[in-house]
Amino acid sequence: EIVMTQSPATLSVSPGERATLSCRASESVSSNLAWYQQRPGQAPRLLIYGASTRATGIPARFSGSGSGTEFTLTISSLQSEDFAVYYCQQYNNWPRTFGQGTKVEIK
Amino acid sequence: QVHLVESGGGLVKPGGSLRLSCAASGFTFSDYYMSWIRQAPGKGLEWLSYISSSGTTIYYADSVKGRFTISRDNAKNSLYLQMNSLRAEDTAVYYCARVGGYSSPLGYWGQGTLVTVSS
Repeated sequence: EIVMTQSPATLSVSPGERATLSCRASESVSSNLAWYQQRPGQAPRLLIYGASTRATGIPARFSGSGSGTEFTLTISSLQSEDFAVYYCQQYNNWPRTFGQGTKVEIK
Repeated sequence: QVHLVESGGGLVKPGGSLRLSCAASGFTFSDYYMSWIRQAPGKGLEWLSYISSSGTTIYYADSVKGRFTISRDNAKNSLYLQMNSLRAEDTAVYYCARVGGYSSPLGYWGQGTLVTVSS
């Protein structure tokens, strides 16, 4: 099973600042990597797939990069609605696996 | 638009069984692969199972293999998860999600249904 490791566990950021989240795979997942956002009390929603493609309706301040084993999600200027938990997931191998999540909180 | 509604959650005793349903609308259900994912209270996401559009290809996480069975009824636009031999650690919110294809992300999620396993 591919282990996905996210860092940091918690990121404290002021509104308007940039946030950079990392995700590492224990072996290559090519570009088959997705990012999800989960706000409190809500279901997750797809933000990024193919490591760098924004899902429908996702603002341009969200961007993804990387391939192989190292991936990054960047939020260029944090808005109030962006404070949430973010998960990466690989869909290259079975079983599909998630990272443990990064909580982005208000500084 | 895409709409997924899970149902069937509730309180069940250890060793018991439960069947979850996911009603799909707003898209051609029979064209899409589907998955189940769960989230224990205060914890992260755990992928559980996947079924192809025709139902012929199925995968499970090791944690539920042999206890849970995924199935679908394309005529009823519905996805199911039969859960047997339930344990306390199966307590979680269970989500269904639409998958674009064999190697695709979880594009749309339902709101989830809570399963509590407790005596």
